[in-house]
Amino acid sequence: QSVLTQPPSASGAPGQRVTISCSGSSSNIGSHYVYWYQQLPGTAPKLLIYKSDQRPSGVPDRFSGSKSGTSASLAISGLRSEDESDYSCAAWDDSLSGVVFGEGTKLTVL
Amino acid sequence: QVQLVESGGGVVQPGRSLRLSCAASGFTFSGYALHWVRQAPGKGLEWVAVISYDGTKKYYADSVKGRFTISRDNAQNTLFLQMNSLRAEDTAVYYCARGDFNTPMAAHCGYWGQGTLVTVSS
Repeated sequence: QSVLTQPPSASGAPGQRVTISCSGSSSNIGSHYVYWYQQLPGTAPKLLIYKSDQRPSGVPDRFSGSKSGTSASLAISGLRSEDESDYSCAAWDDSLSGVVFGEGTKLTVL
Repeated sequence: QVQLVESGGGVVQPGRSLRLSCAASGFTFSGYALHWVRQAPGKGLEWVAVISYDGTKKYYADSVKGRFTISRDNAQNTLFLQMNSLRAEDTAVYYCARGDFNTPMAAHCGYWGQGTLVTVSS
Protein backbone atom coordinates (compact mmCIF):
# COMPACT_ATOMS: atom_id res chain seq x y z
CA GLN A 1 0.00 0.00 0.00
CA SER A 2 1.70 3.20 -1.19
CA VAL A 3 1.50 6.48 0.71
CA LEU A 4 0.41 8.19 -2.51
CA THR A 5 -2.73 6.76 -4.13
CA GLN A 6 -3.13 6.53 -7.89
CA PRO A 7 -5.67 4.63 -9.96
CA PRO A 8 -4.09 1.44 -11.32
CA SER A 9 -5.29 2.15 -14.84
CA ALA A 10 -6.61 4.84 -17.13
CA SER A 11 -7.56 4.91 -20.78
CA GLY A 12 -8.63 7.19 -23.57
CA ALA A 13 -9.01 7.33 -27.32
CA PRO A 14 -6.54 9.16 -29.53
CA GLY A 15 -7.09 12.89 -29.37
CA GLN A 16 -8.93 12.75 -26.07
CA ARG A 17 -7.88 14.23 -22.74
CA VAL A 18 -7.19 12.01 -19.75
CA THR A 19 -6.41 12.89 -16.15
CA ILE A 20 -4.50 10.79 -13.63
CA SER A 21 -4.95 11.61 -9.96
CA CYS A 22 -2.51 11.30 -7.07
CA SER A 23 -3.84 11.55 -3.54
CA GLY A 24 -1.64 12.07 -0.50
CA SER A 25 -1.65 13.83 2.85
CA SER A 26 -0.48 16.95 4.61
CA SER A 27 2.96 15.45 5.23
CA ASN A 28 3.72 14.93 1.54
CA ILE A 29 1.67 16.55 -1.23
CA GLY A 30 0.22 19.08 1.20
CA SER A 31 3.71 20.38 2.06
CA HIS A 32 5.91 19.63 -0.93
CA TYR A 33 6.11 19.77 -4.70
CA VAL A 34 4.82 16.82 -6.72
CA TYR A 35 6.82 15.17 -9.48
CA TRP A 36 5.48 12.99 -12.27
CA TYR A 37 7.40 10.28 -14.10
CA GLN A 38 6.70 8.43 -17.32
CA GLN A 39 8.06 4.94 -17.81
CA LEU A 40 7.75 3.33 -21.19
CA PRO A 41 7.90 -0.48 -21.20
CA GLY A 42 11.42 -1.78 -20.64
CA THR A 43 12.97 1.63 -20.14
CA ALA A 44 14.10 3.85 -17.26
CA PRO A 45 11.66 6.43 -15.87
CA LYS A 46 11.69 9.93 -17.30
CA LEU A 47 10.81 13.16 -15.50
CA LEU A 48 7.59 14.53 -16.95
CA ILE A 49 6.50 17.25 -14.50
CA TYR A 50 8.54 18.91 -11.75
CA LYS A 51 7.55 21.30 -8.96
CA SER A 52 3.92 20.23 -9.41
CA ASP A 53 3.24 22.08 -12.67
CA GLN A 54 6.52 22.67 -14.53
CA ARG A 55 7.56 20.86 -17.69
CA PRO A 56 11.21 20.05 -18.39
CA SER A 57 12.44 21.15 -21.78
CA GLY A 58 11.47 18.64 -24.44
CA VAL A 59 8.24 17.54 -22.77
CA PRO A 60 5.28 18.44 -25.00
CA ASP A 61 2.81 20.98 -23.67
CA ARG A 62 0.12 18.31 -24.03
CA PHE A 63 1.30 17.24 -20.58
CA SER A 64 0.33 19.40 -17.61
CA GLY A 65 0.39 19.06 -13.85
CA SER A 66 -1.58 20.65 -11.05
CA LYS A 67 -1.82 20.46 -7.29
CA SER A 68 -4.53 21.40 -4.84
CA GLY A 69 -4.29 20.72 -1.14
CA THR A 70 -3.24 17.10 -0.64
CA SER A 71 -3.96 15.96 -4.19
CA ALA A 72 -2.31 16.36 -7.55
CA SER A 73 -3.21 15.56 -11.13
CA LEU A 74 -1.49 14.87 -14.41
CA ALA A 75 -3.45 15.76 -17.53
CA ILE A 76 -2.62 14.58 -21.01
CA SER A 77 -4.46 16.24 -23.87
CA GLY A 78 -4.50 15.24 -27.52
CA LEU A 79 -3.77 11.65 -26.56
CA ARG A 80 -1.38 9.80 -28.85
CA SER A 81 -0.46 6.12 -29.12
CA GLU A 82 3.07 6.82 -27.89
CA ASP A 83 1.62 8.10 -24.59
CA GLU A 84 0.77 4.52 -23.68
CA SER A 85 2.97 4.10 -20.61
CA ASP A 86 3.12 3.89 -16.83
CA TYR A 87 2.84 7.18 -14.94
CA SER A 88 3.93 7.65 -11.32
CA CYS A 89 3.67 10.57 -8.94
CA ALA A 90 6.17 11.27 -6.16
CA ALA A 91 6.72 13.71 -3.32
CA TRP A 92 8.88 14.18 -0.25
CA ASP A 93 7.23 13.02 2.95
CA ASP A 94 8.08 14.79 6.21
CA SER A 95 6.77 11.99 8.43
CA LEU A 96 8.89 9.37 6.71
CA SER A 97 11.83 11.69 5.96
CA GLY A 98 11.98 10.28 2.48
CA VAL A 99 10.50 10.21 -1.00
CA VAL A 100 7.21 8.42 -1.57
CA PHE A 101 5.98 7.17 -4.93
CA GLY A 102 2.50 6.28 -6.05
CA GLU A 103 2.03 2.73 -7.27
CA GLY A 104 1.73 3.95 -10.83
CA THR A 105 -1.05 4.23 -13.38
CA LYS A 106 -0.97 2.25 -16.59
CA LEU A 107 -2.36 4.38 -19.41
CA THR A 108 -3.89 2.59 -22.39
CA VAL A 109 -4.61 4.44 -25.61
CA LEU A 110 -7.65 2.75 -27.12
CA GLN B 1 24.74 15.45 -22.03
CA VAL B 2 23.92 14.02 -18.62
CA GLN B 3 24.83 10.36 -18.28
CA LEU B 4 24.40 8.00 -15.36
CA VAL B 5 25.68 4.45 -15.68
CA GLU B 6 25.00 1.89 -12.95
CA SER B 7 27.06 -1.24 -12.39
CA GLY B 8 27.60 -3.93 -9.80
CA GLY B 9 24.32 -5.82 -10.01
CA GLY B 10 24.11 -9.59 -10.16
CA VAL B 11 22.87 -12.69 -8.39
CA VAL B 12 23.63 -12.90 -4.67
CA GLN B 13 22.54 -15.25 -1.89
CA PRO B 14 20.30 -14.04 0.94
CA GLY B 15 22.30 -12.50 3.77
CA ARG B 16 25.23 -11.56 1.54
CA SER B 17 26.38 -8.11 0.43
CA LEU B 18 26.66 -6.24 -2.84
CA ARG B 19 27.96 -2.79 -3.77
CA LEU B 20 26.41 -0.83 -6.61
CA SER B 21 28.14 2.04 -8.38
CA CYS B 22 26.82 4.84 -10.56
CA ALA B 23 29.28 6.73 -12.76
CA ALA B 24 28.12 10.21 -13.71
CA SER B 25 29.15 12.61 -16.44
CA GLY B 26 27.88 15.66 -18.30
CA PHE B 27 27.09 17.83 -15.27
CA THR B 28 28.65 19.27 -12.12
CA PHE B 29 28.41 16.13 -10.02
CA SER B 30 29.26 17.84 -6.73
CA GLY B 31 26.36 20.25 -7.11
CA TYR B 32 23.48 17.80 -6.98
CA ALA B 33 21.78 15.41 -4.60
CA LEU B 34 21.62 11.83 -5.86
CA HIS B 35 19.00 9.13 -5.38
CA TRP B 36 18.76 5.36 -5.60
CA VAL B 37 15.33 4.11 -6.70
CA ARG B 38 14.44 0.47 -7.28
CA GLN B 39 11.75 -1.42 -9.12
CA ALA B 40 10.90 -5.03 -8.31
CA PRO B 41 9.77 -7.18 -11.26
CA GLY B 42 6.30 -6.13 -12.35
CA LYS B 43 6.01 -3.56 -9.56
CA GLY B 44 6.10 0.21 -9.23
CA LEU B 45 8.97 2.48 -8.32
CA GLU B 46 10.28 2.38 -4.75
CA TRP B 47 12.60 5.05 -3.46
CA VAL B 48 15.65 3.69 -1.61
CA ALA B 49 17.90 6.53 -0.49
CA VAL B 50 19.17 10.03 -1.21
CA ILE B 51 22.45 11.80 -0.44
CA SER B 52 23.07 15.55 -0.43
CA TYR B 53 25.49 17.23 -2.81
CA ASP B 54 28.29 17.15 -0.24
CA GLY B 55 27.48 13.80 1.34
CA THR B 56 26.60 15.23 4.74
CA LYS B 57 22.89 14.42 4.62
CA LYS B 58 21.54 10.95 3.91
CA TYR B 59 17.99 9.63 4.08
CA TYR B 60 16.76 6.07 3.68
CA ALA B 61 13.54 4.18 3.13
CA ASP B 62 12.46 2.25 6.21
CA SER B 63 12.72 -0.99 4.21
CA VAL B 64 16.51 -0.60 3.85
CA LYS B 65 17.47 1.46 6.90
CA GLY B 66 20.30 -0.15 8.82
CA ARG B 67 21.18 -2.49 5.93
CA PHE B 68 21.98 -0.16 3.02
CA THR B 69 24.44 2.75 2.96
CA ILE B 70 24.53 5.46 0.32
CA SER B 71 27.77 7.33 -0.31
CA ARG B 72 29.47 9.38 -3.00
CA ASP B 73 32.94 10.31 -4.23
CA ASN B 74 32.79 13.78 -5.72
CA ALA B 75 36.38 13.53 -6.93
CA GLN B 76 35.49 10.47 -9.01
CA ASN B 77 31.94 11.54 -9.94
CA THR B 78 30.60 8.28 -8.57
CA LEU B 79 27.64 7.31 -6.39
CA PHE B 80 27.56 4.09 -4.38
CA LEU B 81 25.05 1.88 -2.63
CA GLN B 82 26.42 -0.66 -0.19
CA MET B 83 23.79 -3.32 0.37
CA ASN B 84 24.23 -5.71 3.31
CA SER B 85 22.05 -8.49 4.71
CA LEU B 86 20.25 -8.81 1.41
CA ARG B 87 16.82 -10.36 1.31
CA ALA B 88 14.72 -11.88 -1.46
CA GLU B 89 12.48 -8.80 -1.37
CA ASP B 90 15.46 -6.63 -2.36
CA THR B 91 15.37 -8.22 -5.83
CA ALA B 92 14.87 -5.33 -8.23
CA VAL B 93 16.32 -3.13 -10.91
CA TYR B 94 18.23 -0.39 -9.11
CA TYR B 95 18.36 3.04 -10.73
CA CYS B 96 20.51 5.99 -9.78
CA ALA B 97 19.01 9.39 -10.48
CA ARG B 98 20.21 12.98 -10.32
CA GLY B 99 18.33 14.88 -7.66
CA ASP B 100 17.75 18.49 -6.89
CA PHE B 101 20.56 21.05 -6.81
CA ASN B 102 19.05 22.82 -3.81
CA THR B 103 18.09 20.12 -1.38
CA PRO B 104 18.09 16.33 -1.00
CA MET B 105 14.58 16.60 0.49
CA ALA B 106 12.72 16.58 -2.82
CA ALA B 107 11.35 13.89 -5.10
CA HIS B 108 13.14 15.52 -8.00
CA CYS B 109 14.86 12.90 -10.17
CA GLY B 110 15.73 14.79 -13.32
CA TYR B 111 17.90 12.18 -15.01
CA TRP B 112 18.03 8.42 -14.58
CA GLY B 113 20.51 5.70 -15.40
CA GLN B 114 19.52 2.57 -17.29
CA GLY B 115 19.44 0.50 -14.10
CA THR B 116 21.24 -2.59 -12.84
CA LEU B 117 19.47 -5.81 -11.84
CA VAL B 118 20.01 -7.27 -8.40
CA THR B 119 18.66 -10.76 -7.80
CA VAL B 120 18.72 -12.17 -4.29
CA SER B 121 18.26 -15.92 -4.43
CA SER B 122 19.75 -19.07 -3.01
